[in-house]
Amino acid sequence: EVQLVESGGGLVQPGRSLKLSCLASGFTFSNYGMNWIRQAPGKGLEWVASISSSSSYIYYADTVKGRFTISRDNAKNTLYLQMTSLRSEDTALYYCARGIRMVDAWGQGASVTVSS
Amino acid sequence: DVVMTQTPPSLSVAIGQSVSISCKSSQSLVYSDGKTYLHWLLQSPGRSPKRLIYQVSNLGSGVPDRFSGTGSQKDFTLKISRVEAEDLGVYYCAQTTHFPFTFGSGTKLEIK
Repeated sequence: EVQLVESGGGLVQPGRSLKLSCLASGFTFSNYGMNWIRQAPGKGLEWVASISSSSSYIYYADTVKGRFTISRDNAKNTLYLQMTSLRSEDTALYYCARGIRMVDAWGQGASVTVSS
Repeated sequence: DVVMTQTPPSLSVAIGQSVSISCKSSQSLVYSDGKTYLHWLLQSPGRSPKRLIYQVSNLGSGVPDRFSGTGSQKDFTLKISRVEAEDLGVYYCAQTTHFPFTFGSGTKLEIK
């Protein structure tokens, strides 16, 4: 069974940093591109970033470019999102999702709240 | 960026009825490989999104055939035949043809 388990969320002050992790299991992680997608409270879905299976290709939404870094460790079956210079508008549930063109599995999400 | 215009924003339907949701994109969603990466997701209350349909018309794993998707280029439709209580939630269309990937604003389906 495909499982994606996010962790690392929490309450953080504006301007500070936070790093999310997504531990994958039930499939060969190194064969799949991965994404971070977020959902602000009561709002719709917003794509954040994608990374190819070997980290050769990385894409970011303009809203996070220069502040967030997506990365992965295929040996640890783990996807990361390093978030810096956090803003109140980054408050959201952050999902990791498998596949790039074909997004076919989602984690349960990690909650990030940016507030003083 | 590709704008995904999804309508209606909400629906209230009785069990057993059929409904359709429209999704229109501001650009063609045909990728260079000839495939169209337009998908439909369902987010049930308190749950993560789940893929219902991929590449316009292909049913996701375990998705009942009451769900169907049609369309091409810039105009797409999700149809739910014989709505059941478990179908309630928010439906999103999503395109993964062009970066940045974008989503429709969602259609909230309520059961009468």
